[in-house]
Amino acid sequence: AQSVTQPDIHITVSEGASLELRCNYSYGATPYLFWYVQSPGQGLQLLLKYFSGDTLVQGIKGFEAEFKRSQSSFNLRKPSVHWSDAAEYFCAVGADTGRRALTFGSGTRLQVQP
Amino acid sequence: DGGITQSPKYLFRKEGQNVTLSCEQNLNHDAMYWYRQDPGQGLRLIYYSQIVNDFQKGDIAEGYSVSREKKESFPLTVTSAQKNPTAFYLCASSDMVETQYFGPGTRLLVL
Repeated sequence: AQSVTQPDIHITVSEGASLELRCNYSYGATPYLFWYVQSPGQGLQLLLKYFSGDTLVQGIKGFEAEFKRSQSSFNLRKPSVHWSDAAEYFCAVGADTGRRALTFGSGTRLQVQP
Repeated sequence: DGGITQSPKYLFRKEGQNVTLSCEQNLNHDAMYWYRQDPGQGLRLIYYSQIVNDFQKGDIAEGYSVSREKKESFPLTVTSAQKNPTAFYLCASSDMVETQYFGPGTRLLVL
């Protein structure tokens, strides 16, 4: 069965600082990988996704993520954080066969200090 | 405007009552999903449907029921058998390449 681990429950960074959110997955084949962002009381917005090809993926709002098969990781990065980036971030893994639903990590809450 | 709508935004349930959460999409997606979100637990899959008139249980289906009579609609009923229904419920739909798009959610509270 597939699984996702986000080791950091809560991260605080200063505005303008760089950000890296960690995500590790467990899946037998090449996974489909996603990062979503959620503001309080809202639905989830897709930031970026990886299916195949270039392992460095660019997303919206200046975010990028790198797929590292050897480390089973898909970490999310941003070079300079803005106060509006404060939210909860979810990593998810999907499959192309069988049950085609996503498995989510437990999320990382990002706080941005002025 | 294409997207997913969920209603109501807030829903209150009395003990022993069944309540139904609405989810509608106009993205022409075949697959639709219901997730439950509790604080600190991420999202857990309740039910999913890959095609009209067919649906499967997810990881936490007990106490819930669904129907999929139309491509655009996937309502979720929280039955009286669900003893801890207080949560944020999210509906999603996906295209053939598995990217899921989410609605704004319904918060269910117990009176």
